[in-house]
Amino acid sequence: AQSVTQLGSHVSVSEGALVLLRCNYSSSVPPYLFWYVQYPNQGLQLLLKYTTGATLVKGINGFEAEFKKSETSFHLTKPSAHMSDAAEYFCAVHNFNKFYFGSGTKLNVKP
Amino acid sequence: KAGVTQTPRYLIKTRGQQVTLSCSPISGHRSVSWYQQTPGQGLQFLFEYFSETQRNKGNFPGRFSGRQFSNSRSEMNVSTLELGDSALYLCASSLSSGPLSGNTIYFGEGSWLTVV
Repeated sequence: AQSVTQLGSHVSVSEGALVLLRCNYSSSVPPYLFWYVQYPNQGLQLLLKYTTGATLVKGINGFEAEFKKSETSFHLTKPSAHMSDAAEYFCAVHNFNKFYFGSGTKLNVKP
Repeated sequence: KAGVTQTPRYLIKTRGQQVTLSCSPISGHRSVSWYQQTPGQGLQFLFEYFSETQRNKGNFPGRFSGRQFSNSRSEMNVSTLELGDSALYLCASSLSSGPLSGNTIYFGEGSWLTVV
């Protein structure tokens, strides 16, 4: 069975600080991994994805994530938070035609 | 290139009524999936359609149904609405659907359903 765990339903950082959102997954086969962002009253927007190849994936808005098979993790990072990064972030695994989403992490950015 | 379009964006229904939500995928995308998002349950997969056939179904009661048309547009219907059906319903489309495909899905802005 597939599952996605996002540690921390709420994360608060200061503007300019490092952003680290954690995602661990369980999968019976090599996974395809995604991060999506959701701004208030909007749908989900793709940030980045890992399918095969390089394990460090760069996405939009300065975000990146690293696939670590040994740790079954796909943590999302950004070196310097911006106020506009305040949103909810979802990690997802795609296997066998289904997407499995984590419960989401709300990022708050303090001025 | 137009994104995924969902209509209506907001609607209010009464318990016991039924509702139909519409989704137009990105041009060329043949797979459409639906999700229910609530504060308590998060994002839950409802079903996926590809070439007018339901490929996958989540764990929802039979009151939730869907269909896909030959132009890939999709509708979902919820009958005998309950208060707990109040949620954001998200539609997503992708190019194709296949095992281990890792296809990226692109979401619409959702339809906010309030059941009173």
